Amino acid sequence: KQEVTQIPAALSVPEGENLVLNCSFTDSAIYNLQWFRQDPGKGLTSLLLIQSSQREQTSGRLNASLDKSSGRSTLYIAASQPGDSATYLCAVTSNTGKLIFGQGTTLQVKP
Amino acid sequence: GAVVSQHPSWVICKSGTSVKIECRSLDFQATTMFWYRQFPKQSLMLMATSNEGSKATYEQGVEKDKFLINHASLTLSTLTVTSAHPEDSSFYICSASRRSVNTGELFFGEGSRLTVL
Repeated sequence: KQEVTQIPAALSVPEGENLVLNCSFTDSAIYNLQWFRQDPGKGLTSLLLIQSSQREQTSGRLNASLDKSSGRSTLYIAASQPGDSATYLCAVTSNTGKLIFGQGTTLQVKP
Repeated sequence: GAVVSQHPSWVICKSGTSVKIECRSLDFQATTMFWYRQFPKQSLMLMATSNEGSKATYEQGVEKDKFLINHASLTLSTLTVTSAHPEDSSFYICSASRRSVNTGELFFGEGSRLTVL
């Protein structure tokens, strides 16, 4: 059974700092991995999608890496801003199409 | 990007009533739609997978008679919480994958917050 774990559960950093969020999964047979952002009481915003054959994806200040063999992904946020404060979820898509979510990392960026 | 709309965004109902939540893909046809629920400060849990024109596949522990899912067209899936009880209060989110693009990317609705009194 696929399990997705995110560390840390919560993170507080001063504005401008670079930071890394971690995601690990137990079954390397995945179709892809996605990182999402969720604001309180809101739905999900897709940030980055990495196919199983890819190693990383970049979008603006965000960079996500994928190491399928070790079951790990990281989300790197450069020059963090208060507007980046949210919960970040990673999710893996199994080869059967099911999306399994981690518990999320709640990020607070202090001005 | 692809847009998925959920309605209503929030609903309050009395215990014992039924509530219907709609999930629409506005600018694409969705082969498959997924329904999730999220309790406070917890992650999303998949409830069921809905394929157009066929019966939904429910995850273990999810009562199919309580959470009725209908995927009548390639752009609409509905979740009906029947005889709702306070423990059904939760945040329900749907997602959809595009029929024509097989990247596995999913697009999510804004979610529907259900409060059962």
